[in-house]
Parts: sequence; structure tokens; C-alpha cells
Amino acid sequence: NAGVTQTPKFRILKIGQSMTLQCAQDMNHNYMYWYRQDPGMGLKLIYYSVGAGITDKGEVPNGYNVSRSTTEDFPLRLELAAPSQTSVYFCASSTDRRNTGELFFGEGSRLTVL
Amino acid sequence: GNSVTQMEGPVTLSEEAFLTINCTYTATGYPSLFWYVQYPGEGLQLLLKATKADDKGSNKGFEATYRKETTSFHLEKGSVQVSDSAVYFCALSNTRDNYGQNFVFGPGTRLSVLP
Repeated sequence: NAGVTQTPKFRILKIGQSMTLQCAQDMNHNYMYWYRQDPGMGLKLIYYSVGAGITDKGEVPNGYNVSRSTTEDFPLRLELAAPSQTSVYFCASSTDRRNTGELFFGEGSRLTVL
Repeated sequence: GNSVTQMEGPVTLSEEAFLTINCTYTATGYPSLFWYVQYPGEGLQLLLKATKADDKGSNKGFEATYRKETTSFHLEKGSVQVSDSAVYFCALSNTRDNYGQNFVFGPGTRLSVLP
């Protein structure tokens, strides 16, 4: 059981470049999330989705875009990369519309913008 | 709003020592509480959870009790092992306007256990 799969695991970008972080889950979860993890800051929510075709902004959405064309996939797009976007990015999914379910995380994507 | 505060790290212990990592929260309504663990180079994984007041979550020798009166969810383990070295995150979850969950994470506490 693959769970949540993220690619790439590592990437170095130059300022102004664009890229897409891929995320796929095989658990048929409706809810998917993108977080960024900065040292000592915990996790900050970038975007989330409650189902195919439905996305919404989280706490720190500026500089990012998402789409959700299928239940399985939830890619995160970085346009015009900036050094402030250097971080570790985690995709996660959950199945519960109430507040009791757990989040399942991918292994993370470490992005450096130079 | 919702927030989670946990003790600053890093925490360094000798093997077989007792561990406590404090966590307090602020939330509206009746959140669920979680402890996640992140081993080096990996994503976060659920360690334990409690979904209502006075519930005790437990797993792998770790325990935490949901204390509504003190808004706390402290993580404890009686005898730590080197393999417990990781970063521990306290988190809460509230319902997001009936659509999905609103998770809020603490900053994480790095634990190092020395042999």
C-alpha cells in the first residue's frame, strides 16, 4: 500500500523558475492538503481540497496554485520561485469530514530556491 | 482562534529516562488532539490521538491524556530508547465549516536519546 506519494524528493530552483510538486494518494481519501515546514515553525497549510474540483486557500497560499482534477492527485504549482519558498513541502490526505480522523503524510519534497 | 503551544527543544535524555513533552492548546468547540512523530528524512506519522475530554491515547509506550480543564495534552513515556529520537508535534483538529478538518500544529520538539 503506497499511501501518499510525493515527487520529487529534492529540487533546486533558480529565482523566477516554476515547477510542480506532484502528490498522489491511493486510499480514496476525499480531503487532501499541502503544508510547508520551516525550521522551528511547525507546519503551515498552503492549500487544501475537499474533493475533485474543489480547492481552497490555507494560511500561506501566496505564490502557489493547486488543482484537483481527480480524487487521487493534488499537484502544487510554484510560479516565479522566490528564496522565501525554500522549505520542505508535505502533502497529506484524510478521510474524515469530522474532526477525529488522522492525516496521512507523504515523505516530503525539499525545495531550495537560489 | 486555534493554536498549539509545546515545549521548546531540543530535549536530550539518556536511554531509559522518563520523557515528558508539554503541550497546551487554545481552540473553539471540541477539538481532537494528536501527537505526530517525524523520524529523520521521513514525513510525519500519527503516534497517538484522543478525540474527547479525559480520553487517553497510547502507542509504542507513549501516552497522553486529553485534559480539557487545563487545555493540555502532554506526551509521556516511562523509558525512552535511542530509536525514539525524532521530532514530536502536538496538533489539534477542528471541523472546518463542515468540510474537512482544520489541523493546527505546534512547532515540534526535537528529542535526542543517548545510549
